[in-house]
Amino acid sequence: SQWGEENLQALSIQEGEDVTMNCSYKTYTTVVQWYRQKSGKGPAQLILIRSNEREKRSGRLRATLDTSSQSSSLSITGTLATDTAVYFCAPDTNAYKVIFGKGTHLHVLP
Amino acid sequence: GGIITQTPKFLIGQEGQKLTLKCQQNFNHDTMYWYRQDSGKGLRLIYYSITENDLQKGDLSEGYDASREKKSSFSLTVTSAQKNEMAVFLCASSFRQSSYEQYFGPGTRLTVL
Repeated sequence: SQWGEENLQALSIQEGEDVTMNCSYKTYTTVVQWYRQKSGKGPAQLILIRSNEREKRSGRLRATLDTSSQSSSLSITGTLATDTAVYFCAPDTNAYKVIFGKGTHLHVLP
Repeated sequence: GGIITQTPKFLIGQEGQKLTLKCQQNFNHDTMYWYRQDSGKGLRLIYYSITENDLQKGDLSEGYDASREKKSSFSLTVTSAQKNEMAVFLCASSFRQSSYEQYFGPGTRLTVL
C-alpha cells in the first residue's frame, strides 16, 4: 500500500508563480520528507519536517505537516524553470524505510 | 561529500535471463536500499540492508535477490527477467539505522527484449 500519496499528479505553471503541492498519507508518522527528482537523475531530499515543527522553511521552500489530518504540503515561491521536476513526499514508517508516493510532475514554463 | 555509483547505467537482457545490478557508496552509510521505478509510478522498495551481510525484504522482493557483500556495496539480481520489468532501478543509502535523508544514485535502466 502507498502510505504517501501526492494529491495532484501533474501541474504546469509559469516561471515566477508560486505553487503548493499536497500529500496525504494513510498512517501516523512523525517525519515527512520531500524529495525532488529531475529528469534522468535519482531523487534528492529537499526538506524534512517533524511532527513538532508544523512548518519548516528552506530558501524558497516551505513545508507543513498536520499530523491530525495526516497531510503535508510543499510550497515553492517564485518558481524557476529549473524547478521542473517530479516532487515526492515520503512519510517515514519508523521501520528503516520510507514510502514514496507517485509524485507530482511540476513543469515550470520559462 | 560522497557519491553513489550504479553500474551499469543501461542494462539490456533477454527474457528469462539472470541479471545483476551493482551499487557502490562512499558515504560510509550503514543502510542501503534498492528501489524500482516504473514509468508514471512512485518508487517501490525491493530490498534494503541495515548493515553488512544484513538483508531485509521490501514490498517488491519476489523475483529478486540481493547481496550486501561489504558496507560500501549492495547488489541486486533479477533472477529471471520478464518483459514487464522494464524500469529504472535506483540504489540509495542513509546514515545509521535510519531512513532519514536517503542519497540516491543515478539509476540503472533495464530493458528486457
